[in-house]
Amino acid sequence: AQTVTQSQPEMSVQEAETVTLSCTYDTSENNYYLFWYKQPPSRQMILVIRQEAYKQQNATENRFSVNFQKAAKSFSLKISDSQLGDTAMYFCAFLPGGTSYGKLTFGQGTILTVHP
Amino acid sequence: DTAVSQTPKYLVTQMGNDKSIKCEQNLGHDTMYWYKQDSKKFLKIMFSYNNKELIINETVPNRFSPKSPDKAHLNLHINSLELGDSAVYFCASSQESLALYEQYFGPGTRLTVT
Repeated sequence: AQTVTQSQPEMSVQEAETVTLSCTYDTSENNYYLFWYKQPPSRQMILVIRQEAYKQQNATENRFSVNFQKAAKSFSLKISDSQLGDTAMYFCAFLPGGTSYGKLTFGQGTILTVHP
Repeated sequence: DTAVSQTPKYLVTQMGNDKSIKCEQNLGHDTMYWYKQDSKKFLKIMFSYNNKELIINETVPNRFSPKSPDKAHLNLHINSLELGDSAVYFCASSQESLALYEQYFGPGTRLTVT
C-alpha cells in the first residue's frame, strides 16, 4: 500500500514571497502519478499541478512548480509570488499507474496562510 | 458550466435516518468516485465506478450503497445514519480510458448527523 506524508501541518508566507510545501511518499510502483490539490475555505478541491513519474522534467503551471525527486520519493510544491488567494489547505496525492481506476491516496494536508 | 455537481451541499439529519446524496458530471468522464473527508480533513476514497460498474469498495460499511444509473451520475445512499458518518462527502470524476487521470471534484456535501 502507498503512503503519502506531508510533514508541515501549517505554513505561512508574506504576499509576493515564495513558499515550498513538502511531500514524501512510499511506494514499490515504478509507474505512477503525483498531484497537488488545493482546498480553499470554500472547500472545493482544485487540481493545482500533476507530475508523471516517468517524466524527469518538473511540472510547472504559472506560479506553481514542483521539485520531483523520484529516487528520494519526494514531491514538493513551490508557490512563487504568493497571493492572498493562495490561502488554502494543500494536499499531495499519489495515484498508481495503469488501470487503478483512480485510487488516489492523499497526504494529511498543509494549511497555507498568505499574509498581506 | 458546473463540471461536477452535488446535491445537497448541506445535509443535517438525525441518527437512524436514511439519506441520499446525488452527483452528476457533465465532463463526459467514464469513472466516478466518492470520497469522505473527516473532521481532521483527511480524505479517503470510498467507492469507484467505471462505466457504471463498481471497481473499488474500500471496506465501507454496508449501510453505504452507491448507485450509478448511467456514466454521468453516481449517487450515494446511506442507511441508518450514525454520528460517525458526519463528514464532508466529495464526488469526483476522471477519464480513465484516455489515461487522463486527473480527478475533478464536486463542491462537497457536508453531512451532519445529530
